[in-house]
Amino acid sequence: NAGVTQTPKFRVLKTGQSMTLLCAQDMNHEYMYWYRQDPGMGLRLIHYSVGEGTTAKGEVPDGYNVSRLKKQNFLLGLESAAPSQTSVYFCASRPLAGVGNEQFFGPGTRLTVL
Amino acid sequence: AQKVTQAQTEISVVEKEDVTLDCVYETRDTTYYLFWYKQPPSGELVFLIRRNSFDEQNEISGRYSWNFQKSTSSFNFTITASQVVDSAVYFCALSTDFGNEKLTFGTGTRLTIIP
Repeated sequence: NAGVTQTPKFRVLKTGQSMTLLCAQDMNHEYMYWYRQDPGMGLRLIHYSVGEGTTAKGEVPDGYNVSRLKKQNFLLGLESAAPSQTSVYFCASRPLAGVGNEQFFGPGTRLTVL
Repeated sequence: AQKVTQAQTEISVVEKEDVTLDCVYETRDTTYYLFWYKQPPSGELVFLIRRNSFDEQNEISGRYSWNFQKSTSSFNFTITASQVVDSAVYFCALSTDFGNEKLTFGTGTRLTIIP
């Protein structure tokens, strides 16, 4: 099992460019999440999904869109990147069964917007 | 609204010393889960422990121990006889939304173990 994987690992964008971050999990998990990590701010939830075809906003959704067309994949899109979106992005997943189970995290994507 | 406070931004201790990382949480829910994650310099997030609100027993796992006190809304983490490999950022997190299982994270404590 690869667990949770994220593509790419690093990316540099110019302001106004668009890109998509891919998260894939091979554990058949229902729930998937996108977080951003900024210095001194911990991890903040951007968007999440409780199943294939469903998405919902988290704490900091502005400037991002997501899609969950397949159960194993959760895509995070930046339509017009801004320097404020420079961050480390983490994807996570967890199974449906079992209240309070931990989330499994991917290795992160470091994004710099110039 | 839920909130997790990790007031210690950075801690440095000499190897073999004991160190406690503080976590204070706020929630109006009576049922909730608390978590600790470790983020080593390599950057990944490693799950350490989960505790539900009905279980106030302290837990020990090797050199790690956790003290959960509902009366003070705290879930503190102690490392005994610290080692250089313990150097990392440690996050405390809270989950109360059992339909969505969202996590609210604290801002983290950067622990440096000095050899």
